[in-house]
Amino acid sequence: SQQGEEDPQALSIQEGENATMNCSYKTSINNLQWYRQNSGRGLVHLILIRSNEREKHSGRLRVTLDTSKKSSSLLITASRAADTASYFCATGLRSFKTIFGAGTRLFVKA
Amino acid sequence: EAQVTQNPRYLITVTGKKLTVTCSQNMNHEYMSWYRQDPGLGLRQIYYSMNVEVTDKGDVPEGYKVSRKEKRNFPLILESPSPNQTSLYFCASSFGPRDGSNQPQHFGDGTRLSIL
Repeated sequence: SQQGEEDPQALSIQEGENATMNCSYKTSINNLQWYRQNSGRGLVHLILIRSNEREKHSGRLRVTLDTSKKSSSLLITASRAADTASYFCATGLRSFKTIFGAGTRLFVKA
Repeated sequence: EAQVTQNPRYLITVTGKKLTVTCSQNMNHEYMSWYRQDPGLGLRQIYYSMNVEVTDKGDVPEGYKVSRKEKRNFPLILESPSPNQTSLYFCASSFGPRDGSNQPQHFGDGTRLSIL
């Protein structure tokens, strides 16, 4: 069963705008990670937030985690055309399984 | 260069013909995992391994086998492939859990399997 669900499924914005993607999950987690995938390639890790953290930053990325609502958001500020990709959240379960969501496809227009 | 290497990258085969997809990592990672990616479903975990000789089922293990005889290798075996196993497969590795938390995974470039 899929744990993480991303919202929206697809997002199209202009270069320079901010992009926000949301992820919801169902069970207890030990952490939540965000990955990026360029078309058909392997995923690349972006950022990890632990279950006892509420917010984390890395460059133009900002991740929040609300364990009471079982949700997370990824904000990409000042987006660039090179940010065009699919973004996935992945929840790490206490069994050390990893559950990925279906992803958000982001298209940044130059 | 740190990497996860999968072979083959592409394979077209027929139903019932046993195949193995190899995965090797050079980062001395304890944790390795196989995923399949299908349109609209994201990545689904097939099997994962916490260390040598330790493997566990993911969400979709049916029809697949794995083994972890060496730390660096984690082959995926399809004993009798069927068309519903046509998919894009990814191998990934990471250091083992720290303080009860999964670590970031490094992914291979993927293997596209077509089973006719």
